[in-house]
Amino acid sequence: GENVEQHPSTLSVQEGDSAVIKCTYSDSASNYFPWYKQELGKRPQLIIDIRSNVGEKKDQRIAVTLNKTAKHFSLHITETQPEDSAVYFCAASRVGGTSYGKLTFGQGTILTVHP
Amino acid sequence: DTAVSQTPKYLVTQMGNDKSIKCEQNLGHDTMYWYKQDSKKFLKIMFSYNNKELIINETVPNRFSPKSPDKAHLNLHINSLELGDSAVYFCASRAPLAGGQETQYFGPGTRLLVL
Repeated sequence: GENVEQHPSTLSVQEGDSAVIKCTYSDSASNYFPWYKQELGKRPQLIIDIRSNVGEKKDQRIAVTLNKTAKHFSLHITETQPEDSAVYFCAASRVGGTSYGKLTFGQGTILTVHP
Repeated sequence: DTAVSQTPKYLVTQMGNDKSIKCEQNLGHDTMYWYKQDSKKFLKIMFSYNNKELIINETVPNRFSPKSPDKAHLNLHINSLELGDSAVYFCASRAPLAGGQETQYFGPGTRLLVL
């Protein structure tokens, strides 16, 4: 089955700096890679996702890059703000077939943005 | 206008008891999931139903039994609760499998504490 490794487990930055979180996956058939943000005591919420036919996707201060050959993808947050502090999860799944949208999550990264 | 709701929000119970958690979505989605988030924040899929049919059944003790009375509801019944069952249980739903929409929407979570 799929295995997703996420690093670092904790990340501390100053407000205004950039933050990068990296994930690797094992199943070359995985083709959908979402990132979820989970604030303390809240539900995970999708912040950005990318499919394997795209190398990069950007949404304001957030971007995701995908390297299919190396089987890794990264989340980039620029101009970080204290409200970006949360746990971030990467995930991988295979769209279509009998995967039924099963998401395999990374271990999570606790991001702390200091004012 | 809650999209995915769960009840109860908190559940404190004794070892050996039987308890149920309920999930409802009003998004018109066909597929629903149960995830378990342990004390280290790791998110792992347990079950998935598509249109009332079980489609994903991960390696979960058979004390856990999901039930989907209709495609808008997915309940989780747990028999003979153990200390290790203490976790946050999230329900999620997703648009029809053939629709090309991959986003999973999570419920607010049920925090289960077994004493």
